[in-house]
Amino acid sequence: EVQLVESGGGLVQPGRSLKLSCAASGFTFSNYYMAWVRQAPKKGLEWVATISTSGSRTYYPDSVKGRFTISRDNAKSSLYLQMNSLKSEDTATYYCARHPLYRGYFDYWGQGVMVTVSS
Amino acid sequence: VQMTQSPSYLAASPGESVSISCKASKSISNNLAWYQEKPGKANKLLIHSGSTLQSGTPSRFSGSGSGTDFTLTIRSLESEDFAVYYCQQYNEYPPTFGGGTKLELK
Repeated sequence: EVQLVESGGGLVQPGRSLKLSCAASGFTFSNYYMAWVRQAPKKGLEWVATISTSGSRTYYPDSVKGRFTISRDNAKSSLYLQMNSLKSEDTATYYCARHPLYRGYFDYWGQGVMVTVSS
Repeated sequence: VQMTQSPSYLAASPGESVSISCKASKSISNNLAWYQEKPGKANKLLIHSGSTLQSGTPSRFSGSGSGTDFTLTIRSLESEDFAVYYCQQYNEYPPTFGGGTKLELK
């Protein structure tokens, strides 16, 4: 059974940093592109980042480019999101998601972790 | 690519059929997925490639459309279908989602 479990969320002050983790199991992690998607309170879904199987290629929307870094450790079947210079508008539930083989949608999602950016 | 879903809210009864529309601001071929969101559960992929049911999706769900106009239809609603539904285009980066449709019990 595919499982994605996020951790590392919490309350953080504007301008500070936070690192999210996602532990994957039930599939060969190194074979799949992975992603982070977020959902601000009462808002829709927003794609945040995608990483290739080896980690050599990463993709971001303009809203987080230069502030967020997605990475992975295939030996540990883990995905990460380093978030720097956090803003109040980054407040959201962050989901770890799997891309099916080289496709742009998401076939499995975690249950999410909440990040609140507030002073 | 902007994705516009309608309606935002939809009230229906078990046994009824409903349709949700998703319109793209430019052609996305058939590169569209539909998801179901329920409280306390991980989002579930229902349909990809516009009309291909993901393994495990009940046959009462169907997707149609290509280009800019897409529709998710649920026939003979069951109690477990009351949820929020999102469409998502993956024809080009960044992948973008519709604003969601909340399907409520009438």
